[in-house]
Amino acid sequence: GIQVEQSPPDLILQEGANSTLRCNFSDSVNNLQWFHQNPWGQLINLFYIPSGTKQNGRLSATTVATERYSLLYISSSQTTDSGVYFCAVSMEYGNKLVFGAGTILRVKS
Amino acid sequence: NAGVTQTPKFQVLKTGQSMTLQCAQDMNHNSMYWYRQDPGMGLRLIYYSASEGTTDKGEVPNGYNVSRLNKREFSLRLESAAPSQTSVYFCASKSQFTDTQYFGPGTRLTVL
Repeated sequence: GIQVEQSPPDLILQEGANSTLRCNFSDSVNNLQWFHQNPWGQLINLFYIPSGTKQNGRLSATTVATERYSLLYISSSQTTDSGVYFCAVSMEYGNKLVFGAGTILRVKS
Repeated sequence: NAGVTQTPKFQVLKTGQSMTLQCAQDMNHNSMYWYRQDPGMGLRLIYYSASEGTTDKGEVPNGYNVSRLNKREFSLRLESAAPSQTSVYFCASKSQFTDTQYFGPGTRLTVL
């Protein structure tokens, strides 16, 4: 099956710093989503981005489908950005999402 | 609009006991999913239902059964719980118009 690798596994930032999280996948996909899992366990969808670039406030994401990777940018990080960021992909429209192991982000004030 | 709701939030079982995890969504979504999350790992798909009346196996279906009771509700049953099923269980739903999945708050299950 498709493999999803996320890097780095852990990241510690000072408040206000920028960061880039990476997601590599092993096969062509037609669904890619980024999620944030907050410290209380809730999963929030950040982006649906099988290709191209999107921005939402301080967050943006870029997927280069032909090279099989996606990047999540966090600018001017805040303590509320702490948590785990997951990339998930599917080769079928909307079904059977395969998740990466996640990047644990800690933002210190 | 509550989104995706799950009950219970926490549960402790003894090995061999059975239980049903409940999930409901009020967004009129066609597709619903059950995932499990183990420590230090991403989520893995257990079962999904593309539409009312249909269910299919995901990556880790062994030891589980599901029922798509109606368009709103999708339940997950453990017939004979095992310690390996200790996990956090998430339900999700998706509309027929987008590929974005929306998740419930999770059920933390411990099997002793």
